[in-house]
Amino acid sequence: GAGVSQSPRYKVAKRGQDVALRCDPISGHVSLFWYQQALGQGPEFLTYFQNEAQLDKSGLPSDRFFAERPEGSVSTLKIQRTQQEDSAVYLCASTLREGRADTQYFGPGTRLTVL
Amino acid sequence: AQSVTQLGSHVSVSEGALVLLRCNYSSSVPPYLFWYVQYPNQGLQLLLKYTSAATLVKGINGFEAEFKKSETSFHLTKPSAHMSDAAEYFCAVINTGGFKTIFGAGTRLFVKA
Repeated sequence: GAGVSQSPRYKVAKRGQDVALRCDPISGHVSLFWYQQALGQGPEFLTYFQNEAQLDKSGLPSDRFFAERPEGSVSTLKIQRTQQEDSAVYLCASTLREGRADTQYFGPGTRLTVL
Repeated sequence: AQSVTQLGSHVSVSEGALVLLRCNYSSSVPPYLFWYVQYPNQGLQLLLKYTSAATLVKGINGFEAEFKKSETSFHLTKPSAHMSDAAEYFCAVINTGGFKTIFGAGTRLFVKA
């Protein structure tokens, strides 16, 4: 069965470039999460969607980071004017329902390298 | 604010030995707690979760964890390690005020033959 997919799997950007990272959650999943995982660290929460509504964006590190999920399925994380400290693996996860105890299913991640 | 502390960034055990990975959390109310595993070049997958039902939670691949409120701990154990258990393990807690999931820094488990 199809799991969570993310694209691209790898992205190299020059400092100052804009990037867009895509997440395709499991079909029918209500909730979607974005995380940033730096090398050797645990995932850090960025933002949370319930259907198309962005209910929590408290983890976005700056106004250069923007996420959307306009139709309640596919989500895009956009980073403007990338900086070297943005280099990390960006993970997406989805859950079937909106309960906090629901299992999060993770995608393989997008590894972003900013030169 | 809630937080998660995993004691030991690296743990090494012999095949067949007990696995014990430690996790302590801080929370003003009983949280939801999770253990995830990340195998090399794979995404995170759920091992088990505590959701205020039984305090001893059994997960996949023979792992289990016990929620101890008095110790604010949720340590992960497996009686007998297998080579295939070598991976990185993350403890996580859900923010009771919302949906923000807080992960620990992870513990890499090495299994020696």
